[in-house]
Amino acid sequence: DAGVTQSPTHLIKTRGQQVTLRCSPISGHKSVSWYQQVLGQGPQFIFQYYEKEERGRGNFPDRFSARQFPNYSSELNVNALLLGDSALYLCASSFGLAGGQPQHFGDGTRLSIL
Amino acid sequence: AQTVTQSQPEMSVQEAETVTLSCTYDTSESDYYLFWYKQPPSRQMILVIRQEAYKQQNATENRFSVNFQKAAKSFSLKISDSQLGDAAMYFCAYRSALRDDKIIFGKGTRLHILP
Repeated sequence: DAGVTQSPTHLIKTRGQQVTLRCSPISGHKSVSWYQQVLGQGPQFIFQYYEKEERGRGNFPDRFSARQFPNYSSELNVNALLLGDSALYLCASSFGLAGGQPQHFGDGTRLSIL
Repeated sequence: AQTVTQSQPEMSVQEAETVTLSCTYDTSESDYYLFWYKQPPSRQMILVIRQEAYKQQNATENRFSVNFQKAAKSFSLKISDSQLGDAAMYFCAYRSALRDDKIIFGKGTRLHILP
C-alpha cells in the first residue's frame, strides 16, 4: 500500500508569493495533519482536518490556510510568503482522531524562500 | 500547555553498543500518549515506539525500549546493539488522549553511530 505522498518534493519561491502544498493520505485514512519543521527544530503543528472539517489549528498566522477534499487529500496554502516560512512541511495521516492512533508521515515538501 | 524537552542536542555511540536518549515532558493531564520518532536524512518521520500513560509496563520494540517514569514525567529511549542504520534525528513527542489534538514534539537529538 502507498504511504502518505506529498508534492512537490522541493519548491523555491520569493517573498510575497503564494504557495500550495499537496498531500494524499494513506488509503482509508480520514485525518490529515500539517506540520512545519524549521531546520534544527522539531515539527510544529499547523492544522488538523478530519472528514473535511478543521479540527485543530496551531499558532500560525492567517496567511496559512488548508482544506481537505472528499477523497481526504489535503492542500496547505501559504500567502504573502516570508523568509521565515522556509521550512520542511510535513503531512501526516491517521485513520481517526484518537490520541493513540498512529500518525504516518510523508517525506515532506522542502520550501525555500528567496 | 504541554511541553516536551530533549536536553541532548547530539549523541554518539559505538556500533553494537547501547545508548539512551533522554526526554522530559510537562502536562497536567493524566491520560496521554508518548512517542519516539526517528527522522533519517530521507526526512520521513518514522514511529519507533509508543507508550500509553495508563500502562505501567514499559514499551519494547525489538532493540528499542523505553523507561517511562510517569511521576517524574520522564520518557527515555534505549537503543540496544546500535546499528549504522540507527543514525538519525530522534524526536520525543506527546499527544493528549482526551482531546482531538496535535502531537507536540521536542527539539530532537541527533544520534551518530561510530563504526
